[in-house]
Amino acid sequence: KQEVTQIPAALSVPEGENLVLNCSFTDSAIYNLQWFRQDPGKGLTSLLLIQSSQREQTSGRLNASLDKSSGRSTLYIAASQPGDSATYLCAVRPGSARQLTFGSGTQLTVLP
Amino acid sequence: EAGVAQSPRYKIIEKRQSVAFWCNPISGHATLYWYQQILGQGPKLLIQFQNNGVVDDSQLPKDRFSAERLKGVDSTLKIQPAKLEDSAVYLCASSHGLAGGHNNEQFFGPGTRLTVL
Repeated sequence: KQEVTQIPAALSVPEGENLVLNCSFTDSAIYNLQWFRQDPGKGLTSLLLIQSSQREQTSGRLNASLDKSSGRSTLYIAASQPGDSATYLCAVRPGSARQLTFGSGTQLTVLP
Repeated sequence: EAGVAQSPRYKIIEKRQSVAFWCNPISGHATLYWYQQILGQGPKLLIQFQNNGVVDDSQLPKDRFSAERLKGVDSTLKIQPAKLEDSAVYLCASSHGLAGGHNNEQFFGPGTRLTVL
């Protein structure tokens, strides 16, 4: 059974810092990995999707990497802003199933 | 393009009552998902539809939860009777192609926050 872990559970940084969020998964046979953002009281917004054959994806100040062999993904946020404050969720589509398996998320607070 | 729509946004009920949630997926999306997200946890899949057929309902508590997507578009999720532990956000998502598609990105609605007293 695929398990997804995100560390840390919460993170607080001053504005302007670069930061890394971590995601690990137990079964390396995945189709893809997706990073989401969730704002309080709202649904999930997809940030980046990395195919199993890719090692990274970039969108603006966000860069996500994937290392299937070690079961890890990182989300790098450059020059953080208060508007980046949200919960960031990592989800994998396992090789033997179709549905996404989510981690519990990292709650990020960027202080002005 | 319009996103995934859900209603109501909030619902408060007492235990043992019934409740229903509605979802309208993105136009043209064949696959629809219902997730349950308990506070402090990631979403957990309850049921997945491909058009109007069920693909996966292995984690749906079938003694109290039911869902349907009769015409392959809108979907409803029902809880009857509700328990305290059903308090959660219920998220609906949709994706364009077949459920087993390799790069099938899911798009989520805003969710319905259910409180069971």
